[in-house]
Amino acid sequence: KQEVTQIPAALSVPEGENLVLNCSFTDSAIYNLQWFRQDPGKGLTSLLLIQSSQREQTSGRLNASLDKSSGRSTLYIAASQPGDSATYLCAVRVETSGSRLTFGEGTQLTVNP
Amino acid sequence: NAGVTQTPKFQVLKTGQSMTLQCAQDMNHNSMYWYRQDPGMGLRLIYYSASEGTTDKGEVPNGYNVSRLNKREFSLRLESAAPSQTSVYFCASNRDSYNSPLHFGNGTRLTVT
Repeated sequence: KQEVTQIPAALSVPEGENLVLNCSFTDSAIYNLQWFRQDPGKGLTSLLLIQSSQREQTSGRLNASLDKSSGRSTLYIAASQPGDSATYLCAVRVETSGSRLTFGEGTQLTVNP
Repeated sequence: NAGVTQTPKFQVLKTGQSMTLQCAQDMNHNSMYWYRQDPGMGLRLIYYSASEGTTDKGEVPNGYNVSRLNKREFSLRLESAAPSQTSVYFCASNRDSYNSPLHFGNGTRLTVT
């Protein structure tokens, strides 16, 4: 059974810092991996989707990398801003799970002005 | 373009009562999903509909039923609510089941007393 772990559960940084969020998964036979952002009381917003054949994806100040063999993905946020404060979740789609995504529990990020 | 719209936003039920959660998307997506989010358990898939006219069980389907009314709408019904169904429910959609980002609604916060 696929398990997805995100460490740390919470992170607090000063504004302007570059930071890395981690996601690890136990089954490397994944189809793709997505990173989401969730603001309090809201739904999830998709940030980046990486196919299993890709090594990384970039959108603005965000860069997500994928290393299937080691079962790891990282989300790099450059020049963090208070507006980046949110919970960040990763989710993987395993090749044998059809439409099912397995989610991590997220990292709660606070960027202090 | 509203995206994914869920109603109601909040609901309190007594044990044994029934209710239907409504979801509609205006992005012409083929696939729609119902998730529940609980502290310590993350997001878990209840049911999904890969395309209009089809529905399939997810990870935690017991106590729920779904209807894919048309391409836009996907409803979730609790026939006899139980306290264990207290949760935040999210509807989501994407263009295809496997390869496109997931778009979420803002959730329904359900309390069963």
